[in-house]
Amino acid sequence: SQQGEEDPQALSIQEGENATMNCSYKTSINNLQWYRQNSGRGLVHLILIRSNEREKHSGRLRVTLDTSKKSSSLLITASRAADTASYFCATDNQAGTALIFGKGTTLSVSS
Amino acid sequence: KAGVTQTPRYLIKTRGQQVTLSCSPISGHRSVSWYQQTPGQGLQFLFEYFSETQRNKGNFPGRFSGRQFSNSRSEMNVSTLELGDSALYLCASSAGRGPMNTEAFFGQGTRLTVV
Repeated sequence: SQQGEEDPQALSIQEGENATMNCSYKTSINNLQWYRQNSGRGLVHLILIRSNEREKHSGRLRVTLDTSKKSSSLLITASRAADTASYFCATDNQAGTALIFGKGTTLSVSS
Repeated sequence: KAGVTQTPRYLIKTRGQQVTLSCSPISGHRSVSWYQQTPGQGLQFLFEYFSETQRNKGNFPGRFSGRQFSNSRSEMNVSTLELGDSALYLCASSAGRGPMNTEAFFGQGTRLTVV
């Protein structure tokens, strides 16, 4: 079953603009992760944020986590055409042995 | 350090046949997970193995099975293939105790088409 739900489902922006994607989940979590997938290929890990963290940065990525609202957001600043991909949030099952993915946000960055 | 390797990359099978997919994790990783990705259902968890033990299984019929060997390599098997089994099958390996406490490294996937 899907734990996370990303919003929006699709996002189209111009190079240089910022892109914000949101993820909501249903049950309490230990950690939340964001992954990127380029056109039907393997997923690439972007960032992991623990339940006791509120914000985390990695390069042009900024992730926030609000456990009271059961939501997270991924901000990509100064987007590039190479950022065009699908982005997924992943939460854990109770045992921490599985990643439960949302349906993803498809980001298209045009030059 | 070599990444996660999945073989084969592409596969075409006929309904009713069976198929075996292989995954070689990153050296030293003992946790291996499998996921099915389809346009309709998205990414769905199949099963996870740690040190040759299946610790968790997703909501899939018994036709889907897997195993892990002592060198952490893993295989998954789908018997009596159905058209709906056409999907991208992804394998991921993780260090430590499992995929949620640390990043998971994914292979490029096996694209299975059932005709």
